[in-house]
Amino acid sequence: GEDVEQSLFLSVREGDSSVINCTYTDSSSTYLYWYKQEPGAGLQLLTYIFSNMDMKQDQRLTVLLNKKDKHLSLRIADTQTGDSAIYFCAERYGGTASKLTFGTGTRLQVTL
Amino acid sequence: DVKVTQSSRYLVKRTGEKVFLECVQDMDHENMFWYRQDPGLGLRLIYFSYDVKMKEKGDIPEGYSVSREKKERFSLILESASTNQTSMYLCASSPWGLAGEKASTDTQYFGPGTRLTVL
Repeated sequence: GEDVEQSLFLSVREGDSSVINCTYTDSSSTYLYWYKQEPGAGLQLLTYIFSNMDMKQDQRLTVLLNKKDKHLSLRIADTQTGDSAIYFCAERYGGTASKLTFGTGTRLQVTL
Repeated sequence: DVKVTQSSRYLVKRTGEKVFLECVQDMDHENMFWYRQDPGLGLRLIYFSYDVKMKEKGDIPEGYSVSREKKERFSLILESASTNQTSMYLCASSPWGLAGEKASTDTQYFGPGTRLTVL
């Protein structure tokens, strides 16, 4: 079945850039998403990229997609303490439009 | 704004009890989902529903059942709770139709979660 993997933990200093990585296995993925989960809350969509794109920028967020290696990354510029959260990547694959497969989540810790 | 609500934020139950987790969405979404979230495992899909009275098994349906009698409400049922069902349960809804329809950025909207502890 589909498998989406992420590293579990990342620590960065405030003001630095954060890069969160994700690998996926389903080459028929149509959209790939990044979600943010703050403590005690549900998941909130941050950004997304369509599978025919290589890069998408949205204010401090940059998404890079390498389809050949099935690798997705999220870069957060000028990381702030409010960015501390768990970040999930998710792939939406072509078989059933409604379903997503989520990664294991990366906990981002921002230190002063 | 889309709102997805879950009946409880925290729940403590005993082994063998029947447990109901309720989820309500107010955006007339066709699709609703139940996930469980465990550290290091991410979100795993338990069941989903794409219409009233329709349901499909996700990746880990064992020990769970669901009910969708009304479009806005999707219930997760633990027939006989066990300690390995201690987890965070997340409900989500989405407006996607069948494959090809609304093939856009429509995504899933999540509730705040219910942290269930089974003693």
